[in-house]
Amino acid sequence: EAQVTQNPRYLITVTGKKLTVTCSQNMNHEYMSWYRQDPGLGLRQIYYSMNVEVTDKGDVPEGYKVSRKEKRNFPLILESPSPNQTSLYFCASSLYPPRETNSPLHFGNGTRLTVT
Amino acid sequence: GESVGLHLPTLSVQEGDNSIINCAYSNSASDYFIWYKQESGKGPQFIIDIRSNMDKRQGQRVTVLLNKTVKHLSLQIAATQPGDSAVYFCAELTRGGGANNLFFGTGTRLTVIP
Repeated sequence: EAQVTQNPRYLITVTGKKLTVTCSQNMNHEYMSWYRQDPGLGLRQIYYSMNVEVTDKGDVPEGYKVSRKEKRNFPLILESPSPNQTSLYFCASSLYPPRETNSPLHFGNGTRLTVT
Repeated sequence: GESVGLHLPTLSVQEGDNSIINCAYSNSASDYFIWYKQESGKGPQFIIDIRSNMDKRQGQRVTVLLNKTVKHLSLQIAATQPGDSAVYFCAELTRGGGANNLFFGTGTRLTVIP
């Protein structure tokens, strides 16, 4: 089944303790992206990757890192989490960047992160 | 319709009726629009898209209408079913913003009454 898989689904951690949220897609998509979803603010892009070893900042990159060593994986790293990073995180992928015809974003089911 | 705020706009419809969900956008340079559906506990799911050179596009039980004059986008769902209950939001892509400048609205919660 074609899908985007995020792990873990739920995570509670403390301020400053490094964590990684994994994301994997099995559709051979070139484009991958991370979003956070907060009440009243919609989905905001954190980082995106156009292809292997190509990553760039989105709208809210502060406090996050990403890597794209393989096409299928795009982990999100919080080196020193803070309470304002408590949010619902989504990984997404598409065959090509969103502008391309017939290349809609496929989303994972989300990771709910709480930082105390 | 959609708005930035703490509370999602809501729409309740009777099963079998048609639903219309609205989205206003402000950037006249936006030229690609997408509707997503988000069910509780799941990620957003692509429904339908439309480019600015079109006024209307139809899918299975869904129709998207684009009015560029008033910068308004709507999603029509025919014969609404309980499984259509979800949050719906539009996303827009702005010309000149690069291949990646996709902005999401905050959504409308659709509740289908059996």
